[in-house]
Amino acid sequence: SSALSQPPSVSVAPGQTATFTCGGSNIASNSVHWYQRKPGQAPVLVLYDEVDRPSGIPERFFGSRSGNTATLSISGVEAGDEADYYCQVWDGSSDPVLFGGGTKLIVL
Amino acid sequence: QVQLQESGPGLLKESETLTLTCTVSGGSVTTSYWAWIRRPPGKGLEWIGCYYYGGITKYNPSFRSRATVLIETTRNHFSLSLTSVTAADTAEYFCARFGYSYANGAWQYFDLWGQGTQVTVSS
Repeated sequence: SSALSQPPSVSVAPGQTATFTCGGSNIASNSVHWYQRKPGQAPVLVLYDEVDRPSGIPERFFGSRSGNTATLSISGVEAGDEADYYCQVWDGSSDPVLFGGGTKLIVL
Repeated sequence: QVQLQESGPGLLKESETLTLTCTVSGGSVTTSYWAWIRRPPGKGLEWIGCYYYGGITKYNPSFRSRATVLIETTRNHFSLSLTSVTAADTAEYFCARFGYSYANGAWQYFDLWGQGTQVTVSS
């Protein structure tokens, strides 16, 4: 099965916008979902179906998709946003659940 | 509100069978679909298997029939068994609940996770 590609880290200053990319051939035809994982805590769903936010997730988190790349953006980054961010798709035509390798957000 | 809590042995030896349990509190294990996911050290998340719509189970082929997911309704939990473990199975293991994608009319993402439990396999 093909994996989803994510850069290992992203660094931004507080108040700036952090952008996370997720690439793969599975993305063009499948919805992308995003998770935040802080050390020692349960992962949290921050976006589903590319652009929808679960209850409790602030509007600072938003997403998009273009071709084989999906993007999660966090505007007005705060120190508390430091975490690993993972993308995921459900691909019914192959191994159904695929995750990216994760991107670590570093707030400078 | 529904919460998930993983439990398991923490440490086991190569060739043994790993059994993990995910206890569902604040809800019923019969009303949703469930999955096991792990994160090996220094790597990303890896899906292991799930109990899915229609009562079927699905597995990551990488586990080559070593994995079994079971639902135990009387105890309101679900479990993962992984046979013939090796050091490569050392990881943090998570249980998770499927969320429903109205855009796609299917259960496709994970809207609730446990905190994870560390499993170390020694030689």
